[in-house]
Amino acid sequence: GENVEQHPSTLSVQEGDSAVIKCTYSDSASNYFPWYKQELGKRPQLIIDIRSNVGEKKDQRIAVTLNKTAKHFSLHITETQPEDSAVYFCAPREGDYKLSFGAGTTVTVRA
Amino acid sequence: EAGVAQSPRYKIIEKRQSVAFWCNPISGHATLYWYQQILGQGPKLLIQFQNNGVVDDSQLPKDRFSAERLKGVDSTLKIQPAKLEDSAVYLCASSLDLQGGGYEQYFGPGTRLTVT
Repeated sequence: GENVEQHPSTLSVQEGDSAVIKCTYSDSASNYFPWYKQELGKRPQLIIDIRSNVGEKKDQRIAVTLNKTAKHFSLHITETQPEDSAVYFCAPREGDYKLSFGAGTTVTVRA
Repeated sequence: EAGVAQSPRYKIIEKRQSVAFWCNPISGHATLYWYQQILGQGPKLLIQFQNNGVVDDSQLPKDRFSAERLKGVDSTLKIQPAKLEDSAVYLCASSLDLQGGGYEQYFGPGTRLTVT
């Protein structure tokens, strides 16, 4: 199965600063790369995704970059706000259909 | 558009008892997933249905867990008998269609199971 690693496992940033989370995966056939945000006690929600034919995608303050050769993709959050505090999961799609979730990165935005 | 519905939201049982969870996916979504999320970990896929057929159940502990999706809509996940290590949040998710490229998965609120 897919081996997925996220780094760092925890991240504390000052409000207004940027946050970057990196996800490495093992299956070279993976073709879909989403990031999910999960607030405490809530369900995971998709915040951004990218497909393998694109290198970067941006949506307001969040962006995802993909390096298929090196088998990693990263989540970038700019101008962080307190509401960005949550656990973030990468979940590359293994084979034809299965998402393999990473262990998560706990982001804390300090006011 | 109504989201994925799950019930119950919380359940406390003793070990060796049985429990069942119910999920109603978003209307029109062909693919349904059950995940187990242990505290502090990412969701782990237990079983995936495409309509009423099983696509992947490789991580489902089949000696105690079972799931069905009759008529290709609602689904139930059952644990019998429960163990202490089954304490987790059980998340149901749905997506449009595998072949159609409907990759985004929409999650329900989850059922928090505590086994004592």
